[in-house]
Amino acid sequence: DTGVSQDPRHKITKRGQNVTFRCDPISEHNRLYWYRQTLGQGPEFLTYFQNEAQLEKSRLLSDRFSAERPKGSFSTLEIQRTEQGDSAMYLCASSFDRAETQYFGPGTRLLVL
Amino acid sequence: GDSVTQMEGPVTLSEEAFLTINCTYTATGYPSLFWYVQYPGEGLQLLLKATKADDKGSNKGFEATYRKETTSFHLEKGSVQVSDSAVYFCALIRGSTLGRLYFGRGTQLTVWP
Repeated sequence: DTGVSQDPRHKITKRGQNVTFRCDPISEHNRLYWYRQTLGQGPEFLTYFQNEAQLEKSRLLSDRFSAERPKGSFSTLEIQRTEQGDSAMYLCASSFDRAETQYFGPGTRLLVL
Repeated sequence: GDSVTQMEGPVTLSEEAFLTINCTYTATGYPSLFWYVQYPGEGLQLLLKATKADDKGSNKGFEATYRKETTSFHLEKGSVQVSDSAVYFCALIRGSTLGRLYFGRGTQLTVWP
């Protein structure tokens, strides 16, 4: 069990650029979640997948955000035309189907200049 | 909607002091409740959980009891250590859907030797 991994760990970009983050869940887990955490706040839900299917999206996930999990394994989160307000820690978590406990990765810290 | 309210920090204690971090929640149905901990530079780790009323979660000397009558899940530890310095997050998940986690804002704990 290698845990949830995320890549990159840090990303600095200029406003208006596109960025993509990757998450590799724990291998047996078929649910995968994305959260965003800003300084001094708790994580806020963005979206989650069960296998390949995206089951729920938060209103926080604007049209500039898109998430995929094409083969039901790893997932990518893309932010188009980044804005300074997108600066945050992006967290990925995974779990077994219908399980309560979610296991989190180390996060990707995004800074938009 | 569902939400979690945590006592504001930061909390600063001397080693071996007693710790309480208050958490109350609002939820429909019968949520499961969690405490996650985030050490500096690391991802969120599950500390303990409780899935039904009057359950007590415990781990590493920390305890929390699920109180439905007061909608609370306060975190306690009898004797804190310097190594307990971290940010603590209270969270809930709806029992009916087991999708997103709802987090509180987090409480920063600093323990001095």
